[in-house]
Amino acid sequence: DQQVKQNSPSLSVQEGRISILNCDYTNSMFDYFLWYKKYPAEGPTFLISISSIKDKNEDGRFTVFLNKSAKHLSLHIVPSQPGDSAVYFCAASARGGGSEKLVFGKGTKLTVNP
Amino acid sequence: NAGVTQTPKFQVLKTGQSMTLQCAQDMNHEYMSWYRQDPGMGLRLIHYSVGAGITDQGEVPNGYNVSRSTTEDFPLRLLSAAPSQTSVYFCASSYGRHYQYGYTFGSGTRLTVV
Repeated sequence: DQQVKQNSPSLSVQEGRISILNCDYTNSMFDYFLWYKKYPAEGPTFLISISSIKDKNEDGRFTVFLNKSAKHLSLHIVPSQPGDSAVYFCAASARGGGSEKLVFGKGTKLTVNP
Repeated sequence: NAGVTQTPKFQVLKTGQSMTLQCAQDMNHEYMSWYRQDPGMGLRLIHYSVGAGITDQGEVPNGYNVSRSTTEDFPLRLLSAAPSQTSVYFCASSYGRHYQYGYTFGSGTRLTVV
C-alpha cells in the first residue's frame, strides 16, 4: 500500500503563473516532509522541507503547505519558470526508529511553457 | 567539492553475474542510503547506514548486500543479477537527520540485466 501518493503524473503551466503540486499521505506517524526536484539523467535535488509542527514553510519562490488533518501537502512555485520543468517528488519520514528512511511518492512531471 | 560520486554510470550485466556499485562522499556525512528508481515507481529504499559499521534494510533489500567500513564509502553489491534488478540506482548521503538538511544524491547508475 502506497503511503505517499502523488496522484497527478503530470502538470503543465504557463511561465509566470503558479504551479501547485499535491501530495497525500496515509501514515499518521510521518512527522517530516520533503520535496525533491529531478532533472533527466541527474540525481534528485533537495528543494524544501516542512515539519509536522508547522503548516507552512517558504523559501524564495517555493512554499510548502501542510494540512495534517487532511494528510495533505502541496508545493507552490510562484512565479513558475521554464527552468522549473522537472519531476517533483514528495517524500516523508516517520518519527521514531528508522526515521532515517524516506518514503517517496511516484513523482509529478512539471512542464512550464514559455 | 565532489559531493556524492557513483561509479559506474552505466552497466550491462548478464543474469547471474555479480557486481558492486560504488558510492563515495567527501562531505563527512553520517547517513548514507541506496535507492532504486523504476518507471512509475518513484524511489524505493534498498539499504541505509547511519554510520561506519552500521547498516540496515530498507523497503526492497532482497538480492543486495551493503557494508560501511568507512564514513566515505557505501558500496552496494548485487549477489546474482536478475532482470528484475534492471533499474536506476541512486546513492545519497546526509550530515544528520535528513529532514534538517536533505539528502544529497549522486547522479545515478543505470543498470541493465539481460
